[in-house]
Amino acid sequence: AQTVTQSQPEMSVQEAETVTLSCTYDTSESNYYLFWYKQPPSRQMILVIRQEAYKQQNATENRFSVNFQKAAKSFSLKISDSQLGDTAMYFCAFMKLLTGNQFYFGTGTSLTVIP
Amino acid sequence: DAGVTQSPTHLIKTRGQQVTLRCSPKSGHDTVSWYQQALGQGPQFIFQYYEEEERQRGNFPDRFSGHQFPNYSSELNVNALLLGDSALYLCASSLLRDPGGGYGYTFGSGTRLTVV
Repeated sequence: AQTVTQSQPEMSVQEAETVTLSCTYDTSESNYYLFWYKQPPSRQMILVIRQEAYKQQNATENRFSVNFQKAAKSFSLKISDSQLGDTAMYFCAFMKLLTGNQFYFGTGTSLTVIP
Repeated sequence: DAGVTQSPTHLIKTRGQQVTLRCSPKSGHDTVSWYQQALGQGPQFIFQYYEEEERQRGNFPDRFSGHQFPNYSSELNVNALLLGDSALYLCASSLLRDPGGGYGYTFGSGTRLTVV
């Protein structure tokens, strides 16, 4: 079974500052994908960034980057130059690589960007 | 290009009743997945439909059933509603042959179901 744990229910950051959201996971799979999704008040889940477990290089998408530690089963999200529009729930998620057809989500971190 | 459309956006039902939620997938997608997101929780996988058949199911009772139509749209049915069924129900569509390792999934904005 796959489990995803987010231990920070709520976080806040000053506009233009940097914040890191934490995620750990547990799996016996060796090949998988990890994701960070954003859920704003509109409720639609929006993909922020994806990491393939077989790639050692950490994924980066503009202001968003991850720190992927496979041995530690850790997958944190760093948001640089935080913007008011970053205020949302953030979910860490796991998907198996080859037979993946479902996401396993964590419980989420509510991020508030303070002007 | 239309994204995933879910209807209705909000719904209030009485315990013991039955409810049907609807999802129209993104244009070009052929697979629909349903998730339940209880308050303060992450989404949990209910089931996935492809070619009008249930491909995989999560840990949900038989009260939860679904259907996919030839135009790829889908319905989620819940019978004998319980108070604990109150949640946001999300639909996600994808293309089975090319799910894009997660890139290929598009989520709708969900249906908020309240059971009283």
